[in-house]
Amino acid sequence: KAGVTQTPRYLIKTRGQQVTLSCSPISGHRSVSWYQQTPGQGLQFLFEYFSETQRNKGNFPGRFSGRQFSNSRSEMNVSTLELGDSALYLCASSLLGSGRPSSYEQYFGPGTRLTVT
Amino acid sequence: AQRVTQPEKLLSVFKGAPVELKCNYSYSGSPELFWYVQYSRQRLQLLLRHISRESIKGFTADLNKGETSFHLKKPFAQEEDSAMYYCALKGAQKLVFGQGTRLTINP
Repeated sequence: KAGVTQTPRYLIKTRGQQVTLSCSPISGHRSVSWYQQTPGQGLQFLFEYFSETQRNKGNFPGRFSGRQFSNSRSEMNVSTLELGDSALYLCASSLLGSGRPSSYEQYFGPGTRLTVT
Repeated sequence: AQRVTQPEKLLSVFKGAPVELKCNYSYSGSPELFWYVQYSRQRLQLLLRHISRESIKGFTADLNKGETSFHLKKPFAQEEDSAMYYCALKGAQKLVFGQGTRLTINP
């Protein structure tokens, strides 16, 4: 199976702009989670989508939003970009079938490197 | 609240020496714990999970509920083990990661 793909891989934006990142999960996976990775804060959970519904949300401001489509592909949007939003944004997909622990194994994409200037 | 602590940001050992990467967690429920690894220029990937009680690439990790720890161990380090290691806790349907430990194996 093809792995998780993320587009674009690199992005440079200026403060105040908005950005949309895309994630295509592994075929058959219904859950997509997003993380922000920075040197200072490490990996921080943004949100999780399952069957087009947001299931969980991390402690990020409302400028960070996302959605999931019927084919499980997901997009993440950040509005009014700030310098501190510069980070690697990782997407991960999982099967999340019956709720067994094994179903929560997450497969990560390569990430989108966002630089805000 | 869920919290994962990896006290060592950097760990350096010689090839052939034992390795232990520490992980402590805080969670009021029954935790599911994982170790993820990121090799240079590769994606973050699952190394092992406590539920499976498996050994992957010579690594093992035992969940100690009394000490709320899930330390990762390997008796004899190899150069290819150099990577970034993250301990993660699955609580109420979300995965919380520790800050990570960069392991360097010296020849």
